[in-house]
Amino acid sequence: DVKVTQSSRYLVKRTGEKVFLECVQDMDHENMFWYRQDPGLGLRLIYFSYDVKMKEKGDIPEGYSVSREKKERFSLILESASTNQTSMYLCATLTGLRNQPQHFGDGTRLSIL
Amino acid sequence: QKEVEQNSGPLSVPEGAIASLNCTYSDRVSQSFFWYRQYSGKSPELIMSIYSNGDKEDGRFTAQLNKASQYVSLLIRDSQPSDSATYLCAVNDRDDKIIFGKGTRLHILP
Repeated sequence: DVKVTQSSRYLVKRTGEKVFLECVQDMDHENMFWYRQDPGLGLRLIYFSYDVKMKEKGDIPEGYSVSREKKERFSLILESASTNQTSMYLCATLTGLRNQPQHFGDGTRLSIL
Repeated sequence: QKEVEQNSGPLSVPEGAIASLNCTYSDRVSQSFFWYRQYSGKSPELIMSIYSNGDKEDGRFTAQLNKASQYVSLLIRDSQPSDSATYLCAVNDRDDKIIFGKGTRLHILP
């Protein structure tokens, strides 16, 4: 089974703080993704990475950055947290083979006060 | 803009009945299709994959695919209260990018 581990289930931070969300996978998958999910808006892709040190912007990258220094770890960084970044953040992985599903971590519920 | 459309619901179904969830997609050359179940406050969990036209059954779940109509559905037989969740449809487009629908909320009435 694919194991995708997100560092925190719940996180509370203050406006202006720099926030790090970590995601680690144990299946040697090439591709990793960060989404946020808000009621009525569905899953929105923030950033993804298809290889170490490679990153691509998703649909809503503003206010975020990412880091992938090792294949198994993909970090999402909120440079200066704002209240509109309060959300559920989901990490997902995908093998490099075609036509395969993504596998999700448990999610991090982030609240920015 | 490639899209995956689902009725947001809520869809209310009596316990023991068949729940039918529908999804349409815009990219005609999509090749793989997935259904995820997401309980409130939890992350999406893959429950079905389907790649060719027709039906695919797994326990109480049946996925149906009609590529000509660009339509994929999920049937849940003998619905249980534990099936109450949001169901996400996901489609791989021609670039092998996965596009998610916004989900349908299903409520099974005891």
